[in-house]
Amino acid sequence: DAKTTQPTSMDCAEGRAANLPCNHSTISGNEYVYWYRQIHSQGPQYIIHGLKNNETNEMASLIITEDRKSSTLILPHATLRDTAVYYCIVRVLVPMEYGNKLVFGAGTILRVKS
Amino acid sequence: DVKVTQSSRYLVKRTGEKVFLECVQDMDHENMFWYRQDPGLGLRLIYFSYDVKMKEKGDIPEGYSVSREKKERFSLILESASTNQTSMYLCASSLTGQGGGYEQFFGPGTRLTVL
Repeated sequence: DAKTTQPTSMDCAEGRAANLPCNHSTISGNEYVYWYRQIHSQGPQYIIHGLKNNETNEMASLIITEDRKSSTLILPHATLRDTAVYYCIVRVLVPMEYGNKLVFGAGTILRVKS
Repeated sequence: DVKVTQSSRYLVKRTGEKVFLECVQDMDHENMFWYRQDPGLGLRLIYFSYDVKMKEKGDIPEGYSVSREKKERFSLILESASTNQTSMYLCASSLTGQGGGYEQFFGPGTRLTVL
């Protein structure tokens, strides 16, 4: 799976959009971009994923550049409860018997402040 | 909503004890996973299962075993707990082939301390 690079930490004002970048310059054509987050003392939570098109769901939007070498997770109106570590993961999907493990890097600590 | 529950949030055991960590999911997912999470090491896969009675080793299976007798339940067993197994244990489940994505849904975690 391709390696990802994320900033160590970011701050965001409550109510503003939080834009979390991720670089994955070695991504290959069959690798998906996934985002998870982990609030302190809780299990990771799936946010969104995409292959090459931009995606949106009730939690966030995912913008993937045309060359797929980077992406941005957008939380449109950040709240204090969005304070968490955000993980960008790039992975190829294989048949389940070979495992589809998640490999988390260090992630970005997002602090939403009032 | 998918719900993944784990039997305990916090557990304290002694060295040499046999430890059972239980995980139950209520969404009929085929796949279930056990990870451990340690500071600086991220998430590491211990075992996974893609069907009832099927189990596959992950990256760090030594010292652990698993059991999947029913689709909704995946148990992690520490045969003889050791202090280096003190960690946060996370269970996850997923469907197969969900629109190309295999998003995993996690339980709240069990923080195990082995004294």
